Amino acid sequence: QKEVEQNSGPLSVPEGAIASLNCTYSDRGSQSFFWYRQYSGKSPELIMSIYSNGDKEDGRFTAQLNKASQYVSLLIRDSQPSDSATYLCAGGKDMRFGAGTRLTVKP
Amino acid sequence: EPEVTQTPSHQVTQMGQEVILRCVPISNHLYFYWYRQILGQKVEFLVSFYNNEISEKSEIFDDQFSVERPDGSNFTLKIRSTKLEDSAMYFCASSEYGGLWNTEAFFGQGTRLTVV
Repeated sequence: QKEVEQNSGPLSVPEGAIASLNCTYSDRGSQSFFWYRQYSGKSPELIMSIYSNGDKEDGRFTAQLNKASQYVSLLIRDSQPSDSATYLCAGGKDMRFGAGTRLTVKP
Repeated sequence: EPEVTQTPSHQVTQMGQEVILRCVPISNHLYFYWYRQILGQKVEFLVSFYNNEISEKSEIFDDQFSVERPDGSNFTLKIRSTKLEDSAMYFCASSEYGGLWNTEAFFGQGTRLTVV
């Protein structure tokens, strides 16, 4: 079974700090990866997509992809309380999701 | 802005009944997905659909489930003989492209299914 894994437990950071979220995947054929944000009771909302090795920046968000290590990450700079949510990594031809990382940004 | 729409937003059904969840994907999208999220748990892939047939399905998607694109706009998930454990939020999503080079999927607001 081709999996996307997010193993880190809840993450708490102070306002203004950098939050770092990680994800690994098992299918070496996967080419596209996505980060979604999900607020409680709501549907997943796309934050970023990444297709190539390296970094991709969009405002306060930077996604990183390392295909050799099968690793995807998301950095959130200058974290705000409104960033508090569950962050989901997704990828693979099934568009499978990791279990998510719950981020809390404390004022 | 184009969006995925799902109906109903909440469905209550008796155990053993059949339910049909409806979705209207974004019009120029070619790949459609159904996911399930049990309260407090992860978003679980059920099935993907392309060119009027199932592209991939998970181990969850057994004979109890079926999908259909009955016309040019709707995409449905049928759940037969519902069980208490089918109670969950069901999300529909669509993307322009799928497979290994899939593009981002956009989600509907979900249908909360409650089996009593």
